[in-house]
Amino acid sequence: DTAVSQTPKYLVTQMGNDKSIKCEQNLGHDTMYWYKQDSKKFLKIMFSYNNKELIINETVPNRFSPKSPDKAHLNLHINSLELGDSAVYFCATGTGQDEQYFGPGTRLTVT
Amino acid sequence: DAKTTQPPSMDCAEGRAANLPCNHSTISGNEYVYWYRQIHSQGPQYIIHGLKNNETNEMASLIITEDRKSSTLILPHATLRDTAVYYCIVPYAGTASKLTFGTGTRLQVTL
Repeated sequence: DTAVSQTPKYLVTQMGNDKSIKCEQNLGHDTMYWYKQDSKKFLKIMFSYNNKELIINETVPNRFSPKSPDKAHLNLHINSLELGDSAVYFCATGTGQDEQYFGPGTRLTVT
Repeated sequence: DAKTTQPPSMDCAEGRAANLPCNHSTISGNEYVYWYRQIHSQGPQYIIHGLKNNETNEMASLIITEDRKSSTLILPHATLRDTAVYYCIVPYAGTASKLTFGTGTRLQVTL
């Protein structure tokens, strides 16, 4: 079983659309994260959730709204997509103390 | 996060040890050093972390200088599959709750 899974793997959509990326982890960790890796390969944290509560929000636009229905899931919903949102989005999980385990990524392309 | 400095790229012959340096001269006494790597198009992968003692696991060894201002990640017998970008990270206050990835070192393992 994959520890951290993301769907979809690829997402191509037009500007102005609303889309969601799903993340699931089966490691039983309390903390989940969303990271964004842009075209220059810089990887930055966006959000962190602990037991379904938002812990970190790194000044991400309001168009991005994470939702955690339960401890094993952290979905990312993006409204009114813009060209600059094109990136690879990684979900991760961890205990909040030690190593984090990353998903395979979702490559979002906004045209 | 304590600022880290890594060389942008390194080469290593397959079968040889790969020694990846990292400077973190502003590290605080309770901050850990973490190493991750990102193989092309995959999510980052945790490798190892340490506070002040040298650490070893099945993937690598971490050597931290006595003054803790620098460290070296050692891959004892590099293989082609170790070709990746390696990130040295010092999270704030010694926790892994917020990882800040820099530009890392691109390690190319060659035949």
